[in-house]
Amino acid sequence: EIVMTQSPATLSVSLGERVTLSCRASQSVGRDFVWYQQKPGQAPRLLIYGASVRATGIPARFSGSGSGTDFTLTISSLQSEDFAVYYCQQYNAWPHTFGQGTKLEIK
Amino acid sequence: EVQLLESGGALVQRGGSLRLSCAASGFTFSTYVMAWVRQAPGKGLEWVSTISDEEDRTYYADSVEGRFTISRDNSRNTLYLQMNSLRADDTALYYCARRISVSGTGAYDFWGQGTMVTVSS
Repeated sequence: EIVMTQSPATLSVSLGERVTLSCRASQSVGRDFVWYQQKPGQAPRLLIYGASVRATGIPARFSGSGSGTDFTLTISSLQSEDFAVYYCQQYNAWPHTFGQGTKLEIK
Repeated sequence: EVQLLESGGALVQRGGSLRLSCAASGFTFSTYVMAWVRQAPGKGLEWVSTISDEEDRTYYADSVEGRFTISRDNSRNTLYLQMNSLRADDTALYYCARRISVSGTGAYDFWGQGTMVTVSS
């Protein structure tokens, strides 16, 4: 199966900062790649699919890039509601594996 | 408004069985691929199973293959997960999720709030 590795596990950041989260696939997944956001006690929320396409209603401060094995999620200016856990997922091959998550914390 | 409402979670003994349901509303259920994703307490997300819109294709994680069966009843707008031979590591919150209707995309755009399955040893 394709292993998705996210880095870092935890990131302490300040409001207004630009943040970049990374995810690496153990083999190429093309652009068959997704980012989700999950807040405590809530279901995951789709942010980005196709590596760079923002889902409906997602603010423009969220952007995704990458292809093949290396992907990034950038938040241009961190807002208070962005503190959450972020997961990546590939859907290029079954099983559709998730990364272990990156937690954004307030510095 | 799209809604996915899971039910059926419970405390069950190791080796037991359980059937989860997910009632869908607010969209044409029969035209969407659906899935189950689980999350063990304090852990990350784990994809469990996916079923095509017409139920002719199903896919499973290795960890549940042969023990779990995904199905759907498009006349009742309901997704199911039959779970047999349950193990302690099946303990998790089980989410029902709808795959986005963009051709060739395996992302999930709507999720339920989950139903908790606890397997006691």
